[in-house]
Amino acid sequence: GENVEQHPSTLSVQEGDSAVIKCTYSDSASNYFPWYKQELGKRPQLIIDIRSNVGEKKDQRIAVTLNKTAKHFSLHITETQPEDSAVYFCAAFYYSGGSNYKLTFGKGTLLTVNP
Amino acid sequence: NAGVTQTPKFQVLKTGQSMTLQCAQDMNHNSMYWYRQDPGMGLRLIYYSASEGTTDKGEVPNGYNVSRLNKREFSLRLESAAPSQTSVYFCASITGTFMNTEAFFGQGTRLTVV
Repeated sequence: GENVEQHPSTLSVQEGDSAVIKCTYSDSASNYFPWYKQELGKRPQLIIDIRSNVGEKKDQRIAVTLNKTAKHFSLHITETQPEDSAVYFCAAFYYSGGSNYKLTFGKGTLLTVNP
Repeated sequence: NAGVTQTPKFQVLKTGQSMTLQCAQDMNHNSMYWYRQDPGMGLRLIYYSASEGTTDKGEVPNGYNVSRLNKREFSLRLESAAPSQTSVYFCASITGTFMNTEAFFGQGTRLTVV
């Protein structure tokens, strides 16, 4: 089955700096890669995603890149703010048609943005 | 439109007790999932149901059973709870095609087994 590795497990940055979280996946058939943000005590919330036919996507201060050949994708947060502090999860999603989906998560990165 | 609703939000069980976690979605999604979340372990898939009437094991199915009661509801049962099952449990429903995929999570159930 799919295996998703996520690094680093913890990341501490100063407010205004950039943060980068990297993930690799094992199944070349995976075709959709969402990123989730989870604040303490809350459910994971989708923040950005990228599909296998796209190399990069940006939404304000957040961007995601995908390298299908190397099977890795990354989350980039620029101009970090204290409210960006949370656990971030990458995921790899395999859709094979009909109702057949499989979503596998990385182990998460605890991001702390220091004021 | 409530999305994905999980009950209960909190539960304390004694070792050996049984309980069922309930999950319901009102978005007409075909696929529903149960994950457990432990510190440093991310979200691990317990069981999933690709469509009504089907269920499959995920990464960590031992000690759990599931029922896809109908398209809306997907329950997770612990027959004989163990301390190792202390965790936060999330239900999710997923829908879409290659170009339009969305996953929605319930609010979570914090389970403690003593």
